[in-house]
Amino acid sequence: EVQVVESGGGLVQIGESLRLSCAASGLTVSTNHMSWVRQAPGKGLDWISVIYSGGNSHYADSVKGRFTVSRDNSLNTVYLHMNNVRHDDTAVYYCAREGYYNFESWGQGTLVTVSS
Amino acid sequence: QSALTQPRSVSGSPGQSVTISCTGTSSDVGGYNYVSWYQQRPGKAPKLMIYNVSKRPSGVPDRFSGSKSGNTASLTISGLQAEDEADYFCCSYAGSYIYWVFGGGTKLTVL
Repeated sequence: EVQVVESGGGLVQIGESLRLSCAASGLTVSTNHMSWVRQAPGKGLDWISVIYSGGNSHYADSVKGRFTVSRDNSLNTVYLHMNNVRHDDTAVYYCAREGYYNFESWGQGTLVTVSS
Repeated sequence: QSALTQPRSVSGSPGQSVTISCTGTSSDVGGYNYVSWYQQRPGKAPKLMIYNVSKRPSGVPDRFSGSKSGNTASLTISGLQAEDEADYFCCSYAGSYIYWVFGGGTKLTVL
């Protein structure tokens, strides 16, 4: 069974950094495209980044230059490094395995709250 | 403001059918047959219900169907059941710069 579990969320101050983790089982992150999607409180979903099986990555304009995605193949884990966080980064962050032009499997999410 | 436009809410009685629309542009919904729909129950992760406009993943009841016309995609749920009450989000591929856009979500209430 495919499972992804996010962790690392919490309360962070404006301008600080945080690292989110996405631990996978039942799939190999190095052979899959893995995305991060966030959901601000009471709002819709918002795609923010992807790391492809080949190692390339892409970002939404809202996080470009501040967030970086990486992975550790030995731990079968994907990371989202969040730097210089802003108030509007407050959201539940989901890790999702991409299927063929869709998001096949999602984790339960981890909440990031940015305070001043 | 979300890139794709969905009605905020829809409702129907058990056994009835409801349709949720998702309107984008020729750069996303209208330009690619890569529209997907997700069901999200309160406090839960989204679940893929429809992909590539009209395909259903294994395990999704055939009461759920998808279609597209021009820049508008639609999700139809027939034979409504109480368990269908949830938020539904549409998503479209939007090319190799923007990548993915989502709708703001539609709350389905089963009366």
